Amino acid sequence: NAGVTQTPKFQVLKTGQSMTLQCAQDMNHNSMYWYRQDPGMGLRLIYYSASEGTTDKGEVPNGYNVSRLNKREFSLRLESAAPSQTSVYFCASSETTGGSGNTIYFGEGSWLTVV
Amino acid sequence: GENVEQHPSTLSVQEGDSAVIKCTYSDSASNYFPWYKQELGKRPQLIIDIRSNVGEKKDQRIAVTLNKTAKHFSLHITETQPEDSAVYFCAAGGPRTGKLIFGQGTTLQVKP
Repeated sequence: NAGVTQTPKFQVLKTGQSMTLQCAQDMNHNSMYWYRQDPGMGLRLIYYSASEGTTDKGEVPNGYNVSRLNKREFSLRLESAAPSQTSVYFCASSETTGGSGNTIYFGEGSWLTVV
Repeated sequence: GENVEQHPSTLSVQEGDSAVIKCTYSDSASNYFPWYKQELGKRPQLIIDIRSNVGEKKDQRIAVTLNKTAKHFSLHITETQPEDSAVYFCAAGGPRTGKLIFGQGTTLQVKP
């Protein structure tokens, strides 16, 4: 039981390049999330998927797209990377949406640098 | 929109002392308030949570209190140990939005 697995762990991109962060969970959770973490800014929600087939914007969605491929997988795409997107990205999941009192479990994080 | 403010941003205490971290939230419909601990280079992990029908919850050396009227909640760590050194995040969520909003984090340093 691996929990939440995200790849890659580290990535360096050039400005304007695109990439996709992959995430999968094996806990049969309905809800999945992508957060970014920047110094002094806490964990900010980029996009979330309350259930398979749905996605919604979070606090900071600009510059990102997501795909809920199936119940297990939720990917985050940067179409044209910018230095402001340098951050640590966390994928997370919960049985249902976290605001309903369900624990959110985080992946190990992906360190992304855009130069 | 929803907002969670967390204070202080950094906190340094001597081993054995108590530490208190405070959060305020803006959405009066929020009913779930978890606290996460993040050690350096690792993922955030849940350490304790409280729901709005409870005023206080304890788990060994940690406790959380909630004041719904004032819309604030606090994390209390007693008899701090060096292994308590980490970044702590509060969060608030509720049925209206269905998502958790996190505070900015508090870096706790426990000096031996």
